[in-house]
Amino acid sequence: AQSVTQLGSHVSVSEGALVLLRCNYSSSVPPYLFWYVQYPNQGLQLLLKYTSAATLVKGINGFEAEFKKSETSFHLTKPSAHMSDAAEYFCAVSGGNNDMRFGAGTRLTVKP
Amino acid sequence: GAVVSQHPSWVICKSGTSVKIECRSLDFQATTMFWYRQFPKQSLMLMATSNEGSKATYEQGVEKDKFLINHASLTLSTLTVTSAHPEDSSFYICSPYESFSYNEQFFGPGTRLTVL
Repeated sequence: AQSVTQLGSHVSVSEGALVLLRCNYSSSVPPYLFWYVQYPNQGLQLLLKYTSAATLVKGINGFEAEFKKSETSFHLTKPSAHMSDAAEYFCAVSGGNNDMRFGAGTRLTVKP
Repeated sequence: GAVVSQHPSWVICKSGTSVKIECRSLDFQATTMFWYRQFPKQSLMLMATSNEGSKATYEQGVEKDKFLINHASLTLSTLTVTSAHPEDSSFYICSPYESFSYNEQFFGPGTRLTVL
């Protein structure tokens, strides 16, 4: 079985500051890991995914994440926050059954 | 990415009525369909998994007689909420999957259901 834990339900940063959203996973099989963003009243948009290739994954909108097996982590980062980054972010894991399990989500607020 | 549509995008209904939500994968064939629901300010929770032509498998705590899933074709799946009650008000999201997508699931835009 797979699961993810997102540390921090709410993260607030200033515009231009580093964004760090934490995600730790648990999986009995080699995991596929994902980060999604959700804007209010909208569906999910894939930011990036890890599928056992490069451990540092670059996604859209300047986001990237690094898979660290030793730490069972897949934290999402962006060097400089923009106001438009304010949204809900979900980390997700998929395993052998291909069903995706989501973390509780982290709401990112960007202050001007 | 793949194109997935859901209809309706939002619906308001009276308690006790049934509501059908359609999910279509417009440019690929979905061998598997996942249905999720998301309560306000919460994460997505998997409700059920269905394979084309087979009965759906429901997650623990999800009533199969209340949430009827039909996956009759590789491009269409429906979720019917029967005898809806206010506590069923939620955001319902479908996620079609095909075996060639390298474990990436695509998501529909969601259907917001409000039961009065």
